[in-house]
Amino acid sequence: EPEVTQTPSHQVTQMGQEVILRCVPISNHLYFYWYRQILGQKVEFLVSFYNNEISEKSEIFDDQFSVERPDGSNFTLKIRSTKLEDSAMYFCASRTSTDTQYFGPGTRLTVL
Amino acid sequence: ILNVEQSPQSLHVQEGDSTNFTCSFPSSNFYALHWYRWETAKSPEALFVMTLNGDEKKKGRISATLNTKEGYSYLYIKGSQPEDSATYLCAFRIPNTDKLIFGTGTRLQVFP
Repeated sequence: EPEVTQTPSHQVTQMGQEVILRCVPISNHLYFYWYRQILGQKVEFLVSFYNNEISEKSEIFDDQFSVERPDGSNFTLKIRSTKLEDSAMYFCASRTSTDTQYFGPGTRLTVL
Repeated sequence: ILNVEQSPQSLHVQEGDSTNFTCSFPSSNFYALHWYRWETAKSPEALFVMTLNGDEKKKGRISATLNTKEGYSYLYIKGSQPEDSATYLCAFRIPNTDKLIFGTGTRLQVFP
């Protein structure tokens, strides 16, 4: 069964460094998302992406964040200058024209 | 601010017991309610997407009901098994937006 994959599973970085989190959505999917979960808190929406542009973003998704679909398969989240409070589990999700969003296993980002 | 609540936060049951938990969401401006099952270190697995008041959906021993007028959904597990141990997340979606608003989850542990 097709699934969303994410790499790396765990990323450790120093405060101020740039990180790129990578996702391979399910191949025929058209809508792409990033969510995150800070430890002990709810899963929260960051951004949605459709037709090569951002369709919606949350207040969290400021100028430090960007998303890209550089080729036909990858979907990336870049954090330009990481802060301690960016430490979280980051989930990628995708869907077709139906409502169900399919999630990847997440990347745990630790900012030291 | 749209808030989604789940109760209880955690639940410990014996193998064979049936169990249920609740997701509460704003009753106005409803589009869809999603249920996910999330085992540690794995992708959250989509269980149900519910859109109509009075909807009841079933997948094996797991079923869910929806009451959009009063703003709640119940998830039932009949004859719990140890492999049902996971965190069960609900997520709410309003019209004209693609983002999911998640609850805190109910962590279920089934003891043999």
